[in-house]
Amino acid sequence: QITLKESGPTLVKPTQTLTLTCTFSGFSLSTSGVGVGWIRQPPGKALEWLALIYWDDDKRYSPSLKSRLTITKDTSKNQVVLTMTNMDPVDTATYYCAHVTEYVFDYWGQGTLVTVSS
Amino acid sequence: SYELTQPPSVSVSPGQTARITCSGDALPKKYAYWYQQKSGQAPVLVIYEDSKRPSGIPERFSGSSSGTMATLTISGAQVEDEADYYCYSTDSSGNHRGVFGGGTKLTVL
Repeated sequence: QITLKESGPTLVKPTQTLTLTCTFSGFSLSTSGVGVGWIRQPPGKALEWLALIYWDDDKRYSPSLKSRLTITKDTSKNQVVLTMTNMDPVDTATYYCAHVTEYVFDYWGQGTLVTVSS
Repeated sequence: SYELTQPPSVSVSPGQTARITCSGDALPKKYAYWYQQKSGQAPVLVIYEDSKRPSGIPERFSGSSSGTMATLTISGAQVEDEADYYCYSTDSSGNHRGVFGGGTKLTVL
């Protein structure tokens, strides 16, 4: 059974760096073809694709956020970490991590709401 | 940047057929996927690779794609199908970056 869970701060101040951790079970990020991605959703708005990392450490980023995002993996801990620099109130959103197979997110975490406010 | 366009809302009566469209220039070459998101919940994949249905998804959900448009069809929509639906695909740049449509609110009443 594949499960994922996001963790990190619920409140960050403007200009700070956000670090979110996705802890998963039921699969290994060393398995060929497998990846983990991040998606966010501002309150009442649409889903937004952020980044993903594959078993071979191949990384993909949203073109509009690439300069602010870093995605890394720790295969031994079954974790993927997303960092986003220079946080702004418009980055307030629920952040989801998800299991990736063939470019599609097929299993999702429950999401974590991050609020950016001073 | 690449965009997928969906209608903001679709409304049907219970038992009717609901159709939600998604348009994008790369859809002739890239698969479309569909997610259902009920209020306060994480999205659930209901259609993958244009027309395939994951296990556990009711048969009333189907998908198709032709040219630059993909369509999610819910045949005999139920009240419990009321949700936001998002199409998803990847761009054609070869970078395999994903993009979601703006979402469609399906009302069944």
